[in-house]
Amino acid sequence: RKEVEQDPGPFNVPEGATVAFNCTYSNSASQSFFWYRQDCRKEPKLLMSVYSSGNEDGRFTAQLNRASQYISLLIRDSKLSDSATYLCVVNDDMRFGAGTRLTVKP
Amino acid sequence: NAGVTQTPKFRVLKTGQSMTLLCAQDMNHEYMYWYRQDPGMGLRLIHYSVGEGTTAKGEVPDGYNVSRLKKQNFLLGLESAAPSQTSVYFCASRPPAPYEQYFGPGTRLTVT
Repeated sequence: RKEVEQDPGPFNVPEGATVAFNCTYSNSASQSFFWYRQDCRKEPKLLMSVYSSGNEDGRFTAQLNRASQYISLLIRDSKLSDSATYLCVVNDDMRFGAGTRLTVKP
Repeated sequence: NAGVTQTPKFRVLKTGQSMTLLCAQDMNHEYMYWYRQDPGMGLRLIHYSVGEGTTAKGEVPDGYNVSRLKKQNFLLGLESAAPSQTSVYFCASRPPAPYEQYFGPGTRLTVT
Protein backbone atom coordinates (compact mmCIF):
# COMPACT_ATOMS: atom_id res chain seq x y z
CA ARG A 1 0.00 0.00 0.00
CA LYS A 2 1.28 3.42 -0.92
CA GLU A 3 1.87 5.73 2.01
CA VAL A 4 -0.41 8.45 0.66
CA GLU A 5 -3.12 7.59 -1.86
CA GLN A 6 -5.46 9.79 -3.83
CA ASP A 7 -8.06 9.10 -6.46
CA PRO A 8 -6.33 10.44 -9.60
CA GLY A 9 -9.61 11.38 -11.25
CA PRO A 10 -10.08 13.20 -13.46
CA PHE A 11 -13.12 14.81 -11.94
CA ASN A 12 -15.11 16.73 -14.54
CA VAL A 13 -17.85 18.83 -12.97
CA PRO A 14 -20.08 21.70 -14.07
CA GLU A 15 -19.74 25.16 -12.60
CA GLY A 16 -21.56 25.43 -9.31
CA ALA A 17 -21.16 21.77 -8.42
CA THR A 18 -19.85 20.47 -5.12
CA VAL A 19 -16.94 18.08 -5.36
CA ALA A 20 -15.04 16.14 -2.72
CA PHE A 21 -11.62 14.50 -2.76
CA ASN A 22 -10.23 12.02 -0.28
CA CYS A 23 -6.67 11.16 0.56
CA THR A 24 -5.70 8.15 2.68
CA TYR A 25 -2.45 7.81 4.59
CA SER A 26 -0.74 4.82 6.16
CA ASN A 27 1.24 6.32 9.04
CA SER A 28 -1.13 6.50 12.00
CA ALA A 29 1.32 8.70 13.90
CA SER A 30 1.12 11.49 11.30
CA GLN A 31 0.26 14.87 12.74
CA SER A 32 0.53 17.41 9.98
CA PHE A 33 -1.56 17.53 6.80
CA PHE A 34 -2.06 19.99 3.98
CA TRP A 35 -3.84 20.40 0.68
CA TYR A 36 -1.95 22.00 -2.19
CA ARG A 37 -3.14 23.17 -5.56
CA GLN A 38 -0.99 22.74 -8.66
CA ASP A 39 -1.70 24.38 -11.99
CA CYS A 40 -0.30 22.88 -15.15
CA ARG A 41 3.53 22.94 -15.20
CA LYS A 42 3.69 25.22 -12.17
CA GLU A 43 4.87 24.68 -8.62
CA PRO A 44 2.40 23.45 -5.96
CA LYS A 45 0.93 26.19 -3.82
CA LEU A 46 -0.66 25.83 -0.41
CA LEU A 47 -4.43 25.72 -0.49
CA MET A 48 -5.08 25.03 3.17
CA SER A 49 -3.88 23.25 6.25
CA VAL A 50 -5.97 20.44 7.68
CA TYR A 51 -6.78 20.75 11.36
CA SER A 52 -8.04 17.86 13.45
CA SER A 53 -11.28 19.72 14.18
CA GLY A 54 -11.86 20.49 10.50
CA ASN A 55 -11.52 23.90 8.94
CA GLU A 56 -13.14 26.04 6.33
CA ASP A 57 -11.86 28.77 4.05
CA GLY A 58 -14.58 30.27 1.92
CA ARG A 59 -15.83 27.58 -0.46
CA PHE A 60 -13.22 25.07 0.72
CA THR A 61 -13.55 22.72 3.68
CA ALA A 62 -10.87 20.35 4.89
CA GLN A 63 -11.45 17.49 7.31
CA LEU A 64 -9.31 14.90 9.05
CA ASN A 65 -10.53 11.48 10.06
CA ARG A 66 -7.83 9.93 12.24
CA ALA A 67 -9.74 6.71 12.91
CA SER A 68 -9.94 5.89 9.21
CA GLN A 69 -6.71 7.69 8.35
CA TYR A 70 -7.91 9.98 5.64
CA ILE A 71 -8.22 13.66 4.93
CA SER A 72 -10.78 15.23 2.66
CA LEU A 73 -11.26 18.41 0.69
CA LEU A 74 -14.70 19.71 -0.21
CA ILE A 75 -15.15 22.43 -2.80
CA ARG A 76 -18.57 24.07 -2.95
CA ASP A 77 -19.94 26.19 -5.80
CA SER A 78 -17.10 25.21 -8.15
CA LYS A 79 -15.63 27.91 -10.36
CA LEU A 80 -13.84 27.54 -13.69
CA SER A 81 -10.74 28.83 -11.91
CA ASP A 82 -10.80 25.83 -9.55
CA SER A 83 -9.59 23.63 -12.42
CA ALA A 84 -6.24 22.27 -11.27
CA THR A 85 -4.62 19.26 -9.67
CA TYR A 86 -5.09 18.96 -5.93
CA LEU A 87 -2.34 17.33 -3.90
CA CYS A 88 -2.55 16.11 -0.35
CA VAL A 89 0.58 15.88 1.75
CA VAL A 90 1.46 14.24 5.03
CA ASN A 91 4.06 16.67 6.22
CA ASP A 92 5.68 14.46 8.83
CA ASP A 93 6.69 11.94 6.19
CA MET A 94 7.06 14.48 3.39
CA ARG A 95 4.84 12.26 1.29
CA PHE A 96 2.63 13.70 -1.38
CA GLY A 97 -0.31 12.00 -2.98
CA ALA A 98 -0.17 11.67 -6.76
CA GLY A 99 -2.83 14.35 -7.10
CA THR A 100 -6.45 14.53 -8.15
CA ARG A 101 -7.18 16.38 -11.34
CA LEU A 102 -10.27 18.59 -11.37
CA THR A 103 -11.80 20.22 -14.44
CA VAL A 104 -14.72 22.58 -13.95
CA LYS A 105 -16.72 23.15 -17.11
CA PRO A 106 -19.14 25.94 -18.03
CA ASN B 1 11.82 38.65 -0.35
CA ALA B 2 12.19 36.19 -3.26
CA GLY B 3 11.04 33.07 -1.37
CA VAL B 4 12.44 29.94 -3.02
CA THR B 5 14.36 30.28 -6.27
CA GLN B 6 15.77 27.59 -8.53
CA THR B 7 18.54 27.75 -11.10
CA PRO B 8 18.40 26.93 -13.99
CA LYS B 9 14.77 26.92 -15.14
CA PHE B 10 15.44 24.66 -18.12
CA ARG B 11 18.30 22.40 -19.14
CA VAL B 12 18.99 19.77 -21.76
CA LEU B 13 21.74 17.28 -21.01
CA LYS B 14 23.24 14.42 -22.92
CA THR B 15 23.49 11.01 -21.31
CA GLY B 16 26.54 10.85 -19.08
CA GLN B 17 26.87 14.59 -18.54
CA SER B 18 26.80 16.06 -15.07
CA MET B 19 25.10 19.12 -13.67
CA THR B 20 24.10 20.83 -10.44
CA LEU B 21 20.73 22.34 -9.68
CA LEU B 22 20.72 25.19 -7.20
CA CYS B 23 17.94 25.96 -4.75
CA ALA B 24 18.07 29.11 -2.66
CA GLN B 25 15.66 30.39 0.00
CA ASP B 26 15.68 33.67 1.89
CA MET B 27 13.17 32.76 4.60
CA ASN B 28 15.73 31.32 7.04
CA HIS B 29 14.04 27.92 6.86
CA GLU B 30 15.70 24.94 8.47
CA TYR B 31 14.22 22.26 6.25
CA MET B 32 14.84 21.94 2.53
CA TYR B 33 13.73 19.32 0.02
CA TRP B 34 14.29 18.14 -3.52
CA TYR B 35 11.44 16.45 -5.37
CA ARG B 36 10.98 15.17 -8.86
CA GLN B 37 7.64 15.10 -10.64
CA ASP B 38 6.89 12.85 -13.57
CA PRO B 39 3.55 12.69 -15.41
CA GLY B 40 1.00 10.80 -13.35
CA MET B 41 3.49 10.11 -10.56
CA GLY B 42 3.02 13.05 -8.25
CA LEU B 43 5.93 14.47 -6.28
CA ARG B 44 8.60 12.02 -5.14
CA LEU B 45 11.16 12.99 -2.54
CA ILE B 46 14.78 12.65 -3.68
CA HIS B 47 16.78 14.05 -0.74
CA TYR B 48 16.13 16.43 2.09
CA SER B 49 17.95 18.40 4.74
CA VAL B 50 16.91 19.32 8.27
CA GLY B 51 19.61 21.92 8.71
CA GLU B 52 22.91 23.30 7.49
CA GLY B 53 25.45 20.54 6.97
CA THR B 54 22.88 17.72 7.11
CA THR B 55 21.30 15.68 4.31
CA ALA B 56 19.21 12.52 4.15
CA LYS B 57 17.81 10.21 1.49
CA GLY B 58 14.22 10.29 0.38
CA GLU B 59 12.19 7.84 -1.69
CA VAL B 60 14.22 8.00 -4.91
CA PRO B 61 17.82 9.03 -4.09
CA ASP B 62 19.71 6.85 -6.57
CA GLY B 63 21.69 8.79 -9.17
CA TYR B 64 21.58 12.04 -7.17
CA ASN B 65 23.76 13.69 -4.57
CA VAL B 66 23.07 16.77 -2.46
CA SER B 67 24.89 19.27 -0.31
CA ARG B 68 23.80 21.92 2.18
CA LEU B 69 26.91 23.89 3.01
CA LYS B 70 24.92 27.05 3.71
CA LYS B 71 21.53 27.24 5.36
CA GLN B 72 20.00 29.13 2.48
CA ASN B 73 21.22 26.84 -0.32
CA PHE B 74 20.49 23.24 -1.20
CA LEU B 75 22.29 21.77 -4.21
CA LEU B 76 21.21 18.72 -6.19
CA GLY B 77 23.84 17.02 -8.33
CA LEU B 78 23.56 14.55 -11.15
CA GLU B 79 26.96 12.94 -11.68
CA SER B 80 26.11 10.98 -14.82
CA ALA B 81 22.73 11.90 -16.24
CA ALA B 82 20.44 9.21 -17.64
CA PRO B 83 17.26 9.55 -19.73
CA SER B 84 15.28 8.23 -16.74
CA GLN B 85 16.19 11.45 -14.93
CA THR B 86 14.19 13.53 -17.40
CA SER B 87 11.71 15.22 -15.11
CA VAL B 88 10.62 18.43 -13.46
CA TYR B 89 12.58 19.08 -10.29
CA PHE B 90 11.06 21.11 -7.47
CA CYS B 91 12.82 22.43 -4.43
CA ALA B 92 10.94 23.34 -1.27
CA SER B 93 11.69 24.72 2.17
CA ARG B 94 9.84 25.10 5.45
CA PRO B 95 10.33 25.93 9.10
CA PRO B 96 9.97 23.11 11.67
CA ALA B 97 6.56 21.37 11.75
CA PRO B 98 3.69 21.94 11.61
CA TYR B 99 4.28 24.53 8.92
CA GLU B 100 3.75 24.09 5.21
CA GLN B 101 6.38 23.81 2.49
CA TYR B 102 7.13 26.62 0.08
CA PHE B 103 8.08 25.60 -3.42
CA GLY B 104 10.39 27.01 -6.03
CA PRO B 105 9.23 27.37 -9.65
CA GLY B 106 10.88 24.16 -10.81
CA THR B 107 13.66 23.09 -13.17
CA ARG B 108 12.67 21.26 -16.33
CA LEU B 109 15.44 18.81 -17.19
CA THR B 110 15.63 16.72 -20.33
CA VAL B 111 18.29 14.06 -20.74
CA THR B 112 18.76 12.81 -24.30
